[in-house]
Amino acid sequence: SQKIEQNSEALNIQEGKTATLTCNYTNYSPAYLQWYRQDPGRGPVFLLLIRENEKEKRKERLKVTFDTTLKQSLFHITASQPADSATYLCALERGGATNKLIFGTGTLLAVQP
Amino acid sequence: DTAVSQTPKYLVTQMGNDKSIKCEQNLGHDTMYWYKQDSKKFLKIMFSYNNKELIINETVPNRFSPKSPDKAHLNLHINSLELGDSAVYFCASSQGIGNEKLFFGSGTQLSVL
Repeated sequence: SQKIEQNSEALNIQEGKTATLTCNYTNYSPAYLQWYRQDPGRGPVFLLLIRENEKEKRKERLKVTFDTTLKQSLFHITASQPADSATYLCALERGGATNKLIFGTGTLLAVQP
Repeated sequence: DTAVSQTPKYLVTQMGNDKSIKCEQNLGHDTMYWYKQDSKKFLKIMFSYNNKELIINETVPNRFSPKSPDKAHLNLHINSLELGDSAVYFCASSQGIGNEKLFFGSGTQLSVL
């Protein structure tokens, strides 16, 4: 079955720096990959979606890359701010008519002022 | 207006009891989900309904029974609660199935004593 690994330890960075979070998967290559943000006591909030035939996707200060050879996605937040502190989850879907998203365990990002 | 709302926010109950969690979405979406997030923050899909039809039914004890009276509502009934059922349960919805982002509710924290 599909296994998804994200940085298990918290990522601490200084405000203004670029945060880079990693999502590695095993087994089959997903049709697409999504990134979500989760704040304490809240549900995940969708950020970006990237398809298997796309190398990179951007949205404001966010950038996602998808390398199907390395079986890896990188999630970047440029000019990070303390308000970016949260847990970031990657999720994969194989494709087909189910929309069965498999989530990673998330990486806790802490941006220090 | 809250897009995906679930009630109650907190649920504390004794082992062996039966309880229900309700979910409603006002986004006009066709597909709804139940996810379970354990103490290690791992988010796992339980069920998915598309237009009131069950399309995903993961390996979940049959003590858990979802019900979708219409496509805007998906409820979760749990019989004979066990200690291991303690978790945060999230309802979510999406426009359709396949290649869709999910909109999550704020979660129901279930504690079984």
